[in-house]
Amino acid sequence: KAGVTQTPRYLIKTRGQQVTLSCSPISGHRSVSWYQQTPGQGLQFLFEYFSETQRNKGNFPGRFSGRQFSNSRSEMNVSTLELGDSALYLCASSFGGATTYEQYFGPGTRLTVT
Amino acid sequence: AQTVTQSQPEMSVQEAETVTLSCTYDTSESNYYLFWYKQPPSRQMILVIRQEAYKQQNATENRFSVNFQKAAKSFSLKISDSQLGDTAMYFCAFMKLRTGAQKLVFGQGTRLTINP
Repeated sequence: KAGVTQTPRYLIKTRGQQVTLSCSPISGHRSVSWYQQTPGQGLQFLFEYFSETQRNKGNFPGRFSGRQFSNSRSEMNVSTLELGDSALYLCASSFGGATTYEQYFGPGTRLTVT
Repeated sequence: AQTVTQSQPEMSVQEAETVTLSCTYDTSESNYYLFWYKQPPSRQMILVIRQEAYKQQNATENRFSVNFQKAAKSFSLKISDSQLGDTAMYFCAFMKLRTGAQKLVFGQGTRLTINP
């Protein structure tokens, strides 16, 4: 079974631009979560989508948004990029049900904002 | 809010030795999951082991085992017969056991180096 895939793997953007990251979950998984990883703040939860609905949200500004499609693929958008948005963005998928909680991560997208 | 603390930023052991990574957490929840994830230099986060809080028996996965002390809110990872491929960042993570709350709270990580 194919794992979680994320595209692109690397991205360089300029301050003020916007960016869209994509995540394809493991087949059969309906929940997709996004995390930001930085050296200073560590791993922080951004949001979770389940069946096309945002089910959970972390403490990030409104510039960070996401969506999920009917095939469970998810996209994350960051508008008006700031230097501090430079990070590894990890996506994780799971079945999302009441009894299954393991999250499986993709390889991440390394975003650099200049 | 839940917090997870890993007090050992770095550890280093010789190949074949046993090493224990520490993790403590703070929560008022009674039902939750705890996980250990491994992130090698390739950056891919890999699930190592999980523990359900309602289970008294410590989880084991081959060379990896945990020591779960619920009252002390402690969740350590023991790696036996360590191998060079175990070199990685190890993250302890907490998740509330509730539908609609699939959010992992991570510790700051422990960088483990296995030396030949």
